[in-house]
Amino acid sequence: GDSVTQMEGPVTLSEEAFLTINCTYTATGYPSLFWYVQYPGEGLQLLLKATKADDKGSNKGFEATYRKETTSFHLEKGSVQVSDSAVYFCARTSGSEKLVFGKGTKLTVNP
Amino acid sequence: SQTIHQWPATLVQPVGSPLSLECTVEGTSNPNLYWYRQAAGRGLQLLFYSVGIGQISSEVPQNLSASRPQDRQFILSSKKLLLSDSGFYLCAWSVPGINNSPLHFGNGTRLTVT
Repeated sequence: GDSVTQMEGPVTLSEEAFLTINCTYTATGYPSLFWYVQYPGEGLQLLLKATKADDKGSNKGFEATYRKETTSFHLEKGSVQVSDSAVYFCARTSGSEKLVFGKGTKLTVNP
Repeated sequence: SQTIHQWPATLVQPVGSPLSLECTVEGTSNPNLYWYRQAAGRGLQLLFYSVGIGQISSEVPQNLSASRPQDRQFILSSKKLLLSDSGFYLCAWSVPGINNSPLHFGNGTRLTVT
């Protein structure tokens, strides 16, 4: 079935470091791909999305490119801040109504 | 603008007691509605989704059930809670009929079964 695999955390970085969180998806159909962010004690918020191959989603300095050839959608940020500390989820559409999520990657950014 | 409300925010219930979590959406009509559970180390698990009043699809067999008595109301229930039902429950909605429509989440309910 449809699934998403993301790198296991936790990830700990110093402020201004470069961030990469890997995400791969099962190559069934033509999914849309998403990154969500969850701050402590809150629900999930959409961070960015891409709907077709080679699309780049971007928001708040984060970027991810839809790579069909490698079935990947890695999240990157050039310079992380303490306020970026959160759990990040990669997701893909499954059919017309559902999203399938990865297990989440916890990021901690230290000052 | 659209908003989603989930309550209660936290809940502590004994094993064997009933459960009712409520979710309502405002500012949109006929949304797709979802219940997810987030358990430690297991990511987000889709429990139920609904594309209309009275239409419920169950993704995972369990002792939970869902109902949609009104267009923008989604209720998660259990007759007898198990310890394994503890977790963070998230309600979400999306725009129907659009393949890449993102989910919009509520702030969640932290359920602890003791």
